[in-house]
Amino acid sequence: AQSVAQPEDQVNVAEGNPLTVKCTYSVSGNPYLFWYVQYPNRGLQFLLKYITGDNLVKGSYGFEAEFNKSQTSFHLKKPSALVSDSALYFCAVRDLGNTPLVFGKGTRLSVIA
Amino acid sequence: DAGVIQSPRHEVTEMGQEVTLRCKPISGHDYLFWYRQTMMRGLELLIYFNNNVPIDDSGMPEDRFSAKMPNASFSTLKIQPSEPRDSAVYFCASSLLGVETQYFGPGTRLLVL
Repeated sequence: AQSVAQPEDQVNVAEGNPLTVKCTYSVSGNPYLFWYVQYPNRGLQFLLKYITGDNLVKGSYGFEAEFNKSQTSFHLKKPSALVSDSALYFCAVRDLGNTPLVFGKGTRLSVIA
Repeated sequence: DAGVIQSPRHEVTEMGQEVTLRCKPISGHDYLFWYRQTMMRGLELLIYFNNNVPIDDSGMPEDRFSAKMPNASFSTLKIQPSEPRDSAVYFCASSLLGVETQYFGPGTRLLVL
């Protein structure tokens, strides 16, 4: 069965510093990996996805994520955090042939000015 | 594109009442998903449809929950009778094909008193 883990409930980072939100996954085949962001009282917004190709995926708002097959990880990164990046971030995975995404528990990112 | 549309955005009701949540997927999308989000359980998949047909309803918590998709542009999630533990945010999402990005609606915040 496919699964995804976000080991940190909360990540705090100072504005201007780089940020990383961690995600590891488990699937039986090749993974389809996604990151979503949820701002307060809003729905989940798609940030980026990895299907195949380059291991470094660039997405919205300056975010990027690196697919690492050997470590089964798909960490979300941004070189310089903004206060407006403060939100709840979800990693999700789908196995080829399985339609629904499986979501992690979410990581709350707090960027402090 | 208007995105996924959900109504109502907020619903307050009393225990025992029937609650109906509505969703309009993105035009042309053939998959529709219903999720529930709570602090304790995170994001849970309740049911999903493909071409208006329910594919997997194993996430529906009890017989009090039912979902329908009478046509490609409309779906409902009904709770009858409602209970306080049903209080949550309910999201609808849609995607084109099973492997493409899921796009989420703004959610319905349900409070059952």
